Amino acid sequence: ETGVTQSPTHLIKTRGQQVTLRCSSQSGHNTVSWYQQALGQGPQFIFQYYREEENGRGNFPPRFSGLQFPNYSSELNVNALELDDSALYLCASSLEDSGGGYFGPGTRLLVL
Amino acid sequence: QKEVEQNSGPLSVPEGAIASLNCTYSDRGSQSFFWYRQYSGKSPELIMFIYSNGDKEDGRFTAQLNKASQYVSLLIRDSQPSDSATYLCAVNINPDSWGKLQFGAGTQVVVTP
Repeated sequence: ETGVTQSPTHLIKTRGQQVTLRCSSQSGHNTVSWYQQALGQGPQFIFQYYREEENGRGNFPPRFSGLQFPNYSSELNVNALELDDSALYLCASSLEDSGGGYFGPGTRLLVL
Repeated sequence: QKEVEQNSGPLSVPEGAIASLNCTYSDRGSQSFFWYRQYSGKSPELIMFIYSNGDKEDGRFTAQLNKASQYVSLLIRDSQPSDSATYLCAVNINPDSWGKLQFGAGTQVVVTP
């Protein structure tokens, strides 16, 4: 157990809807990174939040957005859902300068 | 386009043998390298990280890094059926960042009794 939690565990949405995923970081970690993992692929970096500011973004469109709160928990919001957004969404928490990060259990999103 | 490449497998390994996993990366400026293990239906868990050329050992796992050849490997000694999983190689996206990783697609390892 890494101490990183995510909710919900599973979610079914329809195309065009909006979704919010949540992540609580490991105690003492001030950085949260979000990843999308499609079936059979490695995780793809979406963006990172550090001290409530976006601190780098991968190759994802603006309809993927996020927030980080003062307690370092974080949200990932996806607007105008597309079928290809179906994936496992992972958050990883880390402490600055610590490297890789520790993943939560993930949220499995299915878009119909 | 920065890339991290791994053989997809499956890599079949007899119980008790050594599993050898390879990973190459394209960005010569990469400084930090990570190996994660992912069981089917679960999230990745960090096994090891390595920053310096050479070998780093942790229990039955050894990571090897050769920056000149842009190559990082993972050896699993005395492989057990519980080691059957997908192993993901990851590299920091840029040298000055932390926690922003580029992953390979993973190598599936199957340890056979």
